[in-house]
Amino acid sequence: GAVVSQHPSWVICKSGTSVKIECRSLDFQATTMFWYRQFPKQSLMLMATSNEGSKATYEQGVEKDKFLINHASLTLSTLTVTSAHPEDSSFYICSVPGLPTDTQYFGPGTRLTVL
Amino acid sequence: GENVEQHPSTLSVQEGDSAVIKCTYSDSASNYFPWYKQELGKGPQLIIDIRSNVGEKKDQRIAVTLNKTAKHFSLHITETQPEDSAVYFCAASGPQAGTALIFGKGTTLSVSS
Repeated sequence: GAVVSQHPSWVICKSGTSVKIECRSLDFQATTMFWYRQFPKQSLMLMATSNEGSKATYEQGVEKDKFLINHASLTLSTLTVTSAHPEDSSFYICSVPGLPTDTQYFGPGTRLTVL
Repeated sequence: GENVEQHPSTLSVQEGDSAVIKCTYSDSASNYFPWYKQELGKGPQLIIDIRSNVGEKKDQRIAVTLNKTAKHFSLHITETQPEDSAVYFCAASGPQAGTALIFGKGTTLSVSS
């Protein structure tokens, strides 16, 4: 399956600052990547679909101006949490389609803690 | 849109017993149903999947069954081991390539030795 990395694996920041999370597909080129958020003891909730060469598609209730997504290349998507607040503290996970293309492989996740 | 229900939320078994987790979905157009295992602090790991043209799939101690008419699918783990302890998620997605997954709420499986 696809190998997916995320950086950083964890980050602690102060309220009001911005944090960038990278998602890399190491062995597949991906025109689409997905970003999920997972709160403690809960399921994964889709935040947005990252599209290479075009704007991201956000799920209902997700603020596009707060969660900036840039699909810079076929192997890299970034999620920037702007003006982070404690309620943004969560586990952020990206996924990449593999082969067959309906198969999805997840990164190791990024634990964000906002103080 | 798609909605996936998963039961039970917690499951405790003795080592060597079988474990069964069940999911139902709402969108009859969904045709891809993966299962993921997530250990604490890690990303989900794909353990098995099934597509709508198949009724059952097996990989060693793990099997998945699909009933498209009833819109439900199940994960079966036989001869459970302590290392099977984790949270298991079912998911469903539509027919187009690159369609996002919709997840169930997860099942916490505990295997005691």
